[in-house]
Amino acid sequence: TQLLEQSPQFLSIQEGENLTVYCNSSSVFSSLQWYRQEPGEGPVLLVTVVTGGEVKKLKRLTFQFGDARKDSSLHITAAQPGDTGLYLCAGLALNAGNMLTFGGGTRLMVKP
Amino acid sequence: NAGVTQTPKFQVLKTGQSMTLQCAQDMNHEYMSWYRQDPGMGLRLIHYSVGAGITDQGEVPNGYNVSRSTTEDFPLRLLSAAPSQTSVYFCASRDRGSTEAFFGQGTRLTVV
Repeated sequence: TQLLEQSPQFLSIQEGENLTVYCNSSSVFSSLQWYRQEPGEGPVLLVTVVTGGEVKKLKRLTFQFGDARKDSSLHITAAQPGDTGLYLCAGLALNAGNMLTFGGGTRLMVKP
Repeated sequence: NAGVTQTPKFQVLKTGQSMTLQCAQDMNHEYMSWYRQDPGMGLRLIHYSVGAGITDQGEVPNGYNVSRSTTEDFPLRLLSAAPSQTSVYFCASRDRGSTEAFFGQGTRLTVV
């Protein structure tokens, strides 16, 4: 059982559409992170959210941390083919030496 | 600045063989960790280290050993490879005071 549950697992959309990816947990996290991973590469950090209710924007990407710090969402506006990739949420797990624990990932494909 | 370097990038092993996956970082990070990535399961923590001479088990440690004799290096040893260990392995490092993890490019391991 994963500590962080991501949904959906797969998403295929047309260029220009909007989408939201969810990351949920029954545990409280001091912070949550979103990573993006391209084929053949390791994950790269997009953003860290720390405060409950916090909203951060990165161009067309909007990240939100839930008020109770148990969940987060990633919203992409007007998706582009360049947004294609695997999106992973992660949080620090106090029961694992404060190492990152990851959700199962959302594989996004944006078709031109 | 090389960041996190993993070798080899690809490896095929026969069942029962042993091998070592190498990981080196040049950022003087205290925290290092090994993950395996399987389809639909995100990244799962195998072993981690919070400093030279200190290692601990993560979520899926069975069949793997680690050591941390220097700050820079964190090798992962497969003792007797099994087909269930076919996966992509990622090494990551981060600074003690930061939540951002830096990943290597991964090692794709196939056990036949």
